[in-house]
Amino acid sequence: ELKVEQNPLFLSMQEGKNYTIYCNYSTTSDRLYWYRQDPGKSLESLFVLLSNGAVKQEGRLMASLDTKARLSTLHITAAVHDLSATYFCAPGGGADGLTFGKGTHLIIQP
Amino acid sequence: DADVTQTPRNRITKTGKRIMLECSQTKGHDRMYWYRQDPGLGLRLIYYSFDVKDINKGEISDGYSVSRQAQAKFSLSLESAIPNQTALYFCATSDLGGAYNEQFFGPGTRLTVL
Repeated sequence: ELKVEQNPLFLSMQEGKNYTIYCNYSTTSDRLYWYRQDPGKSLESLFVLLSNGAVKQEGRLMASLDTKARLSTLHITAAVHDLSATYFCAPGGGADGLTFGKGTHLIIQP
Repeated sequence: DADVTQTPRNRITKTGKRIMLECSQTKGHDRMYWYRQDPGLGLRLIYYSFDVKDINKGEISDGYSVSRQAQAKFSLSLESAIPNQTALYFCATSDLGGAYNEQFFGPGTRLTVL
């Protein structure tokens, strides 16, 4: 059974600071997804990481994948308030649904 | 227009009532999924379907049933709703021919069972 652990589950940080969210998972997966959810909203796809060593960047967010360590990171650079949201990781490779982490609730304060 | 729609968006019902949540998609995807989200627990898979004739149970299927009426429609039913089924329910789709197996989510249905 695939288990997914995100750390931290809650993060309050100041604008302009850097921080990293970690996603560990228990069984081999050849890809990993990151999603963003705003309060009361649906999930929005951020990144699809397809292989070991994959790195993707979009604005102030950068995601990476180490399949050997079963670890993905989501790094936030010079945080801004608009990045406040809940971020979910979900390892996967097959078509039979995703297993999500519990989510990291991120608050960025001025 | 949204690619994945869910109806209703909000529903309040009483214990023991039968409830149906509906999902429609215009993305042309063959795979469809139902998840529920509870605070602090992330999303958990209820059922999924690869086509009209293929229905599969997910992690938490007890108390739920589904129907895939057409490629574009996937309904979730609670035969006799109970309070611990109060949650936010999401439908999602993905494309068999897609390169990434990426899932696209509907806007969600907030269900409250009193």
